[in-house]
Amino acid sequence: DTAVSQTPKYLVTQMGNDKSIKCEQNLGHDTMYWYKQDSKKFLKIMFSYNNKELIINETVPNRFSPKSPDKAHLNLHINSLELGDSAVYFCASSQGPGISNTEAFFGQGTRLTVV
Amino acid sequence: AQSVTQPDIHITVSEGASLELRCNYSYGATPYLFWYVQSPGQGLQLLLKYFSGDTLVQGIKGFEAEFKRSQSSFNLRKPSVHWSDAAEYFCAVGTNAGKSTFGDGTTLTVKP
Repeated sequence: DTAVSQTPKYLVTQMGNDKSIKCEQNLGHDTMYWYKQDSKKFLKIMFSYNNKELIINETVPNRFSPKSPDKAHLNLHINSLELGDSAVYFCASSQGPGISNTEAFFGQGTRLTVV
Repeated sequence: AQSVTQPDIHITVSEGASLELRCNYSYGATPYLFWYVQSPGQGLQLLLKYFSGDTLVQGIKGFEAEFKRSQSSFNLRKPSVHWSDAAEYFCAVGTNAGKSTFGDGTTLTVKP
């Protein structure tokens, strides 16, 4: 069984479009994350939710809006896509934001290409 | 704020040779340290972690890492590298707030 699953795996879209990436975890974790990995493989956190509540919001354009309908799901909606948004987006989860709970389990990634 | 430095962008070793990947961190409190591996086209997988206790930790796939507080380091080692170890390796530091900061990664190439 896949622990953290993201859909779609690949997404190719035109500039200006709006798109969503979905993420689900079946680990019973309380905390979920979105990371962005650019073409140089640099990995940066974007958002973190704990029990559906936003706890980390890095400097990300407000075109990016995360939504957590329940603690097992964290979706990422992107408005007015730009060329610079092209990257691999990883969803991850961990047991919680506490001291020893920051080990993260990652999904397979969504490769977004904006043309 | 915490930070992680992986000084080596790319390392090439021969199959069967030993490996050491360097990681230095900066964090004001006791760090929670991780090494992840990313195979091509895949997500990240945890190799090992250090929270407290024995400073030499064992992980999966024959990897180990040693926490050295005096040097602010958490270097990853493997005595004999296999071709399947070729991947991207990320060191990360975790905080109480649940945020993990990743290094920029080290690409490992294994020569036959």
